[in-house]
Amino acid sequence: EVQLVESGGGLVQPGRSLRLSCAASGFTFGDYAMHWVRQPPGKGLEWVSGLNWNGDTIGYADSVKGRFTISRDNAKNSLYLQMNSLRAEDTALYYCARISAWAVDCWGQGTLVTVSS
Amino acid sequence: QSALTQPPSASASPGQSVTISCTGTSSDVGGYNYVSWYQQHPGKAPRLMIYEVTKRPSGVPDRFSGSKSGNTASLTVSGLQAEDEADYYCTSYAGSNNLIFGGGTKLTVL
Repeated sequence: EVQLVESGGGLVQPGRSLRLSCAASGFTFGDYAMHWVRQPPGKGLEWVSGLNWNGDTIGYADSVKGRFTISRDNAKNSLYLQMNSLRAEDTALYYCARISAWAVDCWGQGTLVTVSS
Repeated sequence: QSALTQPPSASASPGQSVTISCTGTSSDVGGYNYVSWYQQHPGKAPRLMIYEVTKRPSGVPDRFSGSKSGNTASLTVSGLQAEDEADYYCTSYAGSNNLIFGGGTKLTVL
């Protein structure tokens, strides 16, 4: 069974950092591009960042560029999102997303990040 | 990176058809055949319904169909059923390894 499991969310103060992880199983992780998508409470989906199968092609939304860093470890079947200088507007459920033909064909259940003092 | 434009809401009665639009620009929707659509029920993760404008993943009913004309993509749901009531989001490849989402449409089955 294809599965994506996010972890690392929690309550953090503005300006602080947090690192999200996504553990993949049930498929050949290194064959896929992987992205992060977030959803603020009660609002719509927003693309955050993505990288190709080997991590040498990366994209970021303007809203997180310069603050967030995406990475992956194919040997550990894992995707990461390092989030620095967090702001209240970064509060959201963060989904790990497997990409095929530029569509998200598999979603995790999400990890909640709350930025508040 | 402005969001794709979707109507906030749509509605129709059971058995009828409804079409949800998704308008972008020539740099995203109009420039690539990489438009996808997602269904999201409350408290659940999204589900892929359409990819590459018109293709349906295995398990998605053929009542769901996609199309595109110029900078506007559309999702049509035919033979509406109660379980189709959900939020629907479009997304498009926007170049430079970027994706862009629509603001979402709440579909109500009357």
